[in-house]
Amino acid sequence: EAAVTQSPRSKVAVTGGKVTLSCHQTNNHDYMYWYRQDTGHGLRLIHYSYVADSTEKGDIPDGYKASRPSQENFSLILELASLSQTAVYFCASSARYAEQFFGPGTRLTVL
Amino acid sequence: EQQVQQSPASLVLQEAENAELQCSFSIFTNQVQWFYQRPGGRLVSLLYNPSGTKQSGRLTSTTVIKERRSSLHISSSQITDSGTYLCAMDYNAGAKLTFGGGTRLTVRP
Repeated sequence: EAAVTQSPRSKVAVTGGKVTLSCHQTNNHDYMYWYRQDTGHGLRLIHYSYVADSTEKGDIPDGYKASRPSQENFSLILELASLSQTAVYFCASSARYAEQFFGPGTRLTVL
Repeated sequence: EQQVQQSPASLVLQEAENAELQCSFSIFTNQVQWFYQRPGGRLVSLLYNPSGTKQSGRLTSTTVIKERRSSLHISSSQITDSGTYLCAMDYNAGAKLTFGGGTRLTVRP
């Protein structure tokens, strides 16, 4: 099965601080995604990328940046973390128009 | 706004009973995927089923594109099947998934 890893697995951040979440895939997939999961909102797409050095906005991009320095790596950056960004963040990868494979998630708590 | 509706929201079964989970879409789609998630766990892909019927072990998914719906049938449920089942669709032919709210399944001995 496809391998998607995330780091850190959990993180506590302070309001206004910078947070970087990392994702690595070994599937040779072109597409990578960042989702957040909240109680009451389910899973929502933040950013995605279909090629290295390019990122696209998803459904809820405000307050987040993304970086895709290589095919294997995709980062999510919170420049000024806020309380409302407390959530579980999932990274996923896929080939084009194909099944998506998810990482284990990162639990972020902003205090 | 593209929407994915799942029903029922929760379901309680006795072990060995069958389950039928439903997913409906507000628009036509060509990509449907079913996932399983334990509390605090990762999403595990169960079936990728853009159309027709697909089976994997005790799981069978049927997607009817023209009716904008998909179902997941779980046969002979086991206690370890307990968890949340999520349906997702791609609404923009760009491999971006929109998720339903999930069905929380509890299987009792």
